Amino acid sequence: DAGITQSPRHKVTETGTPVTLRCHQTENHRYMYWYRQDPGHGLRLIHYSYGVKDTDKGEVSDGYSVSRSKTEDFLLTLESATSSQTSVYFCAISDPILAASYNEQFFGPGTRLTVL
Amino acid sequence: AQKITQTQPGMFVQEKEAVTLDCTYDTSDPSYGLFWYKQPSSGEMIFLIYQGSYDQQNATEGRYSLNFQKARKSANLVISASQLGDSAMYFCAMREGAVYNFNKFYFGSGTKLNVKP
Repeated sequence: DAGITQSPRHKVTETGTPVTLRCHQTENHRYMYWYRQDPGHGLRLIHYSYGVKDTDKGEVSDGYSVSRSKTEDFLLTLESATSSQTSVYFCAISDPILAASYNEQFFGPGTRLTVL
Repeated sequence: AQKITQTQPGMFVQEKEAVTLDCTYDTSDPSYGLFWYKQPSSGEMIFLIYQGSYDQQNATEGRYSLNFQKARKSANLVISASQLGDSAMYFCAMREGAVYNFNKFYFGSGTKLNVKP
């Protein structure tokens, strides 16, 4: 299994507070992704990174920012959490060279975030 | 337009029977890959099977097979001899672009499979 951890695994916070979720990988994969999973929507891409300090927006990026200062860490920040951001957040990694066969994504265990 | 469509929100199957989970995709890129992931109630995403757009034969992995119909843009997952442990959410996903490039991935909304004893 790919070495991907997410922290925290569970968090309850209040509307308006900032929240940072961390994704850490030990696989040296180049690309990293943040998704949110909501019933009826599957996984939707929030932001992704194709290298250190290189990030871009996905389809549901409003209200989120990211940073990647090291290959192994990808941070997702909710600047001012809202109830609509209650979700399960997954980090994923991929690398077309290191995962040579399919270039599939490997997923972290997820973070369940509740915004009250 | 949706890149990946899964039209079956939920399905039931009797233990030991086969079941087909539907997936259609939309892309104009000639290079792409199709994936199926399983998500049990514990929440982790488990990779099941892969089909490349240039693969001539349907992919198989144990009890899983992928019925790839390129002209119809469908990539249905077939699970043979269902087991109780197959009860889970199943996601179809597409990697758009060549395998050696950076790619975005698109996911369907999922199908919840329940296997009945």
